[in-house]
Amino acid sequence: AQSVTQPDIHITVSEGASLELRCNYSYGATPYLFWYVQSPGQGLQLLLKYFSGDTLVQGIKGFEAEFKRSQSSFNLRKPTVHWSDAAEYFCAVETGGFKTIFGAGTRLFVKA
Amino acid sequence: ETGVTQTPRHLVMGMTNKKSLKCEQHLGHNAMYWYKQSAKKPLELMFVYSLEERVENNSVPSRFSPECPNSSHLFLHLHTLQPEDSALYLCASSQDGSGPSGANVLTFGAGSRLTVL
Repeated sequence: AQSVTQPDIHITVSEGASLELRCNYSYGATPYLFWYVQSPGQGLQLLLKYFSGDTLVQGIKGFEAEFKRSQSSFNLRKPTVHWSDAAEYFCAVETGGFKTIFGAGTRLFVKA
Repeated sequence: ETGVTQTPRHLVMGMTNKKSLKCEQHLGHNAMYWYKQSAKKPLELMFVYSLEERVENNSVPSRFSPECPNSSHLFLHLHTLQPEDSALYLCASSQDGSGPSGANVLTFGAGSRLTVL
């Protein structure tokens, strides 16, 4: 079955530290992969996407993600976290047509 | 106005009420979506319209009734809801095949927070 797993429900990092959010997917074909971010009281905003080509993709706000086909992973990283990065992050895979499957999300807390 | 706008942002209704959620997109997209976001659950796709035709209906109870009068507007009509329907309802739009390989990149509205008493 097609699925997206974000193993960490929440993560706490110190401001200025690096960040990695994990995402694993289950999908038979070449996936279209996304990371979205949701701030409190807001909708989801696209951070970055992978369709094909270079497996390291750059996004907005200094985020990047690396697609690893052998591990079925698409982990999100940021070298230096800012307090404003506190939010919920969703990994997603488009499975064709108009269907996008989302993970359950990882809530990021940033401590001073 | 730019992007995807949802109204109302908050709605409290009784189980016997009839209400509607509205979504408007100003992006020139040709596909629109309703998602349900409940606490501690992944987003659930409810309905998809492409070129004003419904293309997805994921076993949603009939107390939810979508309407897409044109490519810029999407409604979700609510009738005889249950307390478990309380959630954040997100509207999204995309340009069908907007990615280089035909993927749909979603642009979301801020959501309508629904509470059913």
